[in-house]
Amino acid sequence: EPEVTQTPSHQVTQMGQEVILRCVPISNHLYFYWYRQILGQKVEFLVSFYNNEISEKSEIFDDQFSVERPDGSNFTLKIRSTKLEDSAMYFCASSEAGGIASYEQYFGPGTRLTVT
Amino acid sequence: AQSVSQHNHHVILSEAASLELGCNYSYGGTVNLFWYVQYPGQHLQLLLKYFSGDPLVKGIKGFEAEFIKSKFSFNLRKPSVQWSDTAEYFCASEGAYTGRRALTFGSGTRLQVQP
Repeated sequence: EPEVTQTPSHQVTQMGQEVILRCVPISNHLYFYWYRQILGQKVEFLVSFYNNEISEKSEIFDDQFSVERPDGSNFTLKIRSTKLEDSAMYFCASSEAGGIASYEQYFGPGTRLTVT
Repeated sequence: AQSVSQHNHHVILSEAASLELGCNYSYGGTVNLFWYVQYPGQHLQLLLKYFSGDPLVKGIKGFEAEFIKSKFSFNLRKPSVQWSDTAEYFCASEGAYTGRRALTFGSGTRLQVQP
């Protein structure tokens, strides 16, 4: 069964450094998403991406964050200058485009980001 | 703005006991509703979903959920749990017919099934 994959599984970085989290969505999916879960808190939506542009973003997704689909398979989340409060589990998800199936999001295993 | 509440944070059951996990949502329009499960060390997986039609929906692994519009609820049920159901369960909502696909999650319920 096709799966969403994410790399790395755990990233440790120093405050102020840039990080790039990588995701490979399911191959025939056209909607892509990032969510995050701070330890002990809810899973929160960050951004959705379709047709090479952001289709929706939350208040969390400020100018420090950016997303990109650099090639036909990868989908990345960049945090330009990490802060301690960016420490969280980051989940990538993807869904088909069009019709009711586009609402079924398939999640990756997550990247645990630790900012020190 | 949408919100989802899950009232049970940690549930401990013995095998063969019946399960019901509460979920209430808040949204002014029509919603799509989901239950996701996260087994230890694994990623979020879709258990079941409700878009429209029959308010009683059946999912994988013997789970079902009932959408009660008047109560803004979408409770998850299973008549007889197994040790392998030990996991964290998340209820989520999404505005229907809005074109938006941002899921709003509840805080999750950790289910522990004792053999």
